[in-house]
Amino acid sequence: DGGITQSPKYLFRKEGQNVTLSCEQNLNHDAMYWYRQDPGQGLRLIYYSQIVNDFQKGDIAEGYSVSREKKESFPLTVTSAQKNPTAFYLCASSKGQGTNTGELFFGEGSRLTVL
Amino acid sequence: AQRVTQPEKLLSVFKGAPVELKCNYSYSGSPELFWYVQYSRQRLQLLLRHISRESIKGFTADLNKGETSFHLKKPFAQEEDSAMYYCALTPPGKLIFGQGTTLQVKP
Repeated sequence: DGGITQSPKYLFRKEGQNVTLSCEQNLNHDAMYWYRQDPGQGLRLIYYSQIVNDFQKGDIAEGYSVSREKKESFPLTVTSAQKNPTAFYLCASSKGQGTNTGELFFGEGSRLTVL
Repeated sequence: AQRVTQPEKLLSVFKGAPVELKCNYSYSGSPELFWYVQYSRQRLQLLLRHISRESIKGFTADLNKGETSFHLKKPFAQEEDSAMYYCALTPPGKLIFGQGTTLQVKP
């Protein structure tokens, strides 16, 4: 079954703990993205990566970190420095630069709740 | 600044009525614009892109560079159109989304 797989779907964390959200794709896409979805604020870009071993900060990168060691994987770590981490997180991928750049394929999302 | 604005959080219409979801953007270069849709319990997915000038599920969107708008239109709404709609702008390498508009089509 091809596509983007995010895990876990639901995650609870205590304040002060780091947590890592997994995102894997088997679409052979070069680019991957992490967004945060909050009611009334739409999707806000956290980090993105156009190629393996390279990534850039998005609009709200503070308190988050990523790695891109493999083309298929783009894990997101929500650190204790993130002031308001409770949210719905979406991972996406695309073919990368060029006319298809705007077509993103999304995962089902991960809902993180900080207790 | 690069920005996408969707002024309406919720748009509620009756079945068969025309629909217009508004989108305005701010971008200094030549933009590529898209509409994405998220139906209940489904993944966010691409609906249409301005460069294709296509009609998908009866929806069309025209890029108006003078008004910096990319409104999504459908002449006759159907109940199955009820969903969250996002307008998006692509500067090179990434995609910027608006706040989203929930379209509710009542029977």
